[in-house]
Amino acid sequence: AQSVAQPEDQVNVAEGNPLTVKCTYSVSGNPYLFWYVQYPNRGLQFLLKYITGDNLVKGSYGFEAEFNKSQTSFHLKKPSALVSDSALYFCAVNTGTASKLTFGTGTRLQVTL
Amino acid sequence: DVKVTQSSRYLVKRTGEKVFLECVQDMDHENMFWYRQDPGLGLRLIYFSYDVKMKEKGDIPEGYSVSREKKERFSLILESASTNQTSMYLCASSLLIQVREKLFFGSGTQLSVL
Repeated sequence: AQSVAQPEDQVNVAEGNPLTVKCTYSVSGNPYLFWYVQYPNRGLQFLLKYITGDNLVKGSYGFEAEFNKSQTSFHLKKPSALVSDSALYFCAVNTGTASKLTFGTGTRLQVTL
Repeated sequence: DVKVTQSSRYLVKRTGEKVFLECVQDMDHENMFWYRQDPGLGLRLIYFSYDVKMKEKGDIPEGYSVSREKKERFSLILESASTNQTSMYLCASSLLIQVREKLFFGSGTQLSVL
C-alpha cells in the first residue's frame, strides 16, 4: 500500500527567509509525487509534480521540490517566503499501478512579517 | 481555466436525511473524484469515476454512493446522513486516466449533520 507522511503539522517562518515543508513517502514501484496548496476557504490547487527525470522540480509561485529516492522524500522549498504563502500544503503520491492519489495529512505554513 | 463547481458551499442536514452533493466540471475530463477532508486526517478518497456510469470505491466508501450519468457531472449521495459524516467534501477532476495527471479541485462543500 502507498502512503505519505508529513511530519510537521505547522511550519512557522519569517517573511524573506527560506522555507521547507517536509514529505516522505512509501510505495511499491516508482512514485509519482505531487504538492498541492489550499488557501483559506478554497479547494486545493496544484503546485508541482515529479514524474521522472531531474530530481529538482520547479512549480508555481516560486516553489520547488527535491526528489530524493534514497531517503524517499519530496520536500517542498522556497528560497524566500512571502506572507501570502501562508496556507495548508498537501503532499500526495501515486504509482504506475495505482489509479488513485494518496494524500498526506497536510502542513500548515505560517509566514509572518 | 478548468472549472470544477460544487453546488453548495455550506450545507446543514439532519441525521437520517438523504443528502446529495453535486459537482460539475466544464473541461470534458475523463476522471472525477470525491474526497473528504478532516483535520489531522488529510484528504481521503471516497469514490472515483473514470467514465460515465463507471465508478470505483476509494478508501472510505461506506455510507456513500455516487452517480455519474453525464460526463461533466458527478454526484455524491449520503443515503442516511450521520453525524460522523460531518466534514468538508471536495470534488476533483483530471483530464486522462493516467496516474501522473494533476487534479483540479472544486472549492468544497462544508457539510454539517446535526
